[in-house]
Amino acid sequence: KAGVTQTPRYLIKTRGQQVTLSCSPISGHRSVSWYQQTPGQGLQFLFEYFSETQRNKGNFPGRFSGRQFSNSRSEMNVSTLELGDSALYLCASSGGLAGGPQETQYFGPGTRLLVL
Amino acid sequence: KQEVTQIPAALSVPEGENLVLNCSFTDSAIYNLQWFRQDPGKGLTSLLLIQSSQREQTSGRLNASLDKSSGRSTLYIAASQPGDSATYLCAVIPTDKLIFGTGTRLQVFP
Repeated sequence: KAGVTQTPRYLIKTRGQQVTLSCSPISGHRSVSWYQQTPGQGLQFLFEYFSETQRNKGNFPGRFSGRQFSNSRSEMNVSTLELGDSALYLCASSGGLAGGPQETQYFGPGTRLLVL
Repeated sequence: KQEVTQIPAALSVPEGENLVLNCSFTDSAIYNLQWFRQDPGKGLTSLLLIQSSQREQTSGRLNASLDKSSGRSTLYIAASQPGDSATYLCAVIPTDKLIFGTGTRLQVFP
């Protein structure tokens, strides 16, 4: 089986712009979670989608949003970018009937976003 | 609020040594715990998942234990190799998300 894929792998944006990141889960996985990784804060949970519905949300401002399509692919959008949004954004998928964080998480390679 | 700490933050050992990485968490009400490795600039690779009802899990040279009552997990790596060099992260799962530790950066030199 192909692993979790994320596009693009690298992105450079300027403050105030918006960005959309994409994640394709492992075939058959219905849960997709997003995480932000920075040197200062480590890995922090953004949100989780299951069967096109946002099931859980972390403590991030409303500028961070996401969605999931019927084929389980997910997108994450950040509007009005700030310098502090520079980070590695990781998505993870999981299988099982309910999926979610309680199942083994399979991570993609990440999208590295640099905001200038 | 759940806090997850990993000690040591960095470790450098010669090839062949057996080593132990530690993970501590403040709230024992967890569903399970997962260990990952992360290579520089890359995503996370799942190593082991321990259900809260289990005490340990083994995969090859890796063995992870879980003691919920004391809020601790250890990852034991036997006969370390240079290819084991990476950052190791533990994550506890209360219910709805993974809460990651601070990580241990491991270097195994020949």
